[in-house]
Amino acid sequence: EVQLLESGGGLVQPGGSLRLSCAASGFTFSSYGMSWVRQAPGKGLEWVSGLSGSGISTDYADSVKGRFTISRDNSKNTLYLQMNSLRAEDTAVYYCAKRGGANQFDYWGQGTLVTVSS
Amino acid sequence: QSVVTQEPSFSVSPGGTVTLTCALSSGSVSTSYYPSWYQQTPGQAPRTLIYSTNTRSSGVPDRFSGSILENKAALTITGAQADDESDYYCVLYMGSGIWVFGGGTKLTVL
Repeated sequence: EVQLLESGGGLVQPGGSLRLSCAASGFTFSSYGMSWVRQAPGKGLEWVSGLSGSGISTDYADSVKGRFTISRDNSKNTLYLQMNSLRAEDTAVYYCAKRGGANQFDYWGQGTLVTVSS
Repeated sequence: QSVVTQEPSFSVSPGGTVTLTCALSSGSVSTSYYPSWYQQTPGQAPRTLIYSTNTRSSGVPDRFSGSILENKAALTITGAQADDESDYYCVLYMGSGIWVFGGGTKLTVL
């Protein structure tokens, strides 16, 4: 059974940093691209960042480019999102999602809440 | 980045049929964008319904179907049920590892 478990969310001041983790199990982690998708309170889903199975290829939404860094440790089956220079508008539930065939997101974690506030 | 637009809200009667759409600001939606659809209820993670335009995810009832209609991706629910009341999101794959979600449609069944 595929499982994705996010952690690392919390309250951080504007301008601060936070690192999210997503522990994966139930599949060959290194064979699949992964993404982070966020959802601000009461708002829709927003794709934030993704990377290839090897971790070599990374991509970002314009809204986070230059501030967020996605990475993975395939030896630990874990995905990361390093978030720097956080803004109030980064407040959201952050989901990790597995990239499936045909460019879908076939499995999702339950999310971790990040609140940026003074 | 391109903007993906969905109807903000829609209403359907129990047993009725509804079609939600997903449009692209820069032009027509085609199968090359691998449109996929996700259902989300409050407090829950999204659930995959449809991928690659019209392929149902495992366990998804056949009352859900996907297509391309008039240059938009479309999700049709035939014989709507009360527990179909949810938020529905489409997402388009723009290539080069980039996805763009639509704003979502809040579906009411009443």
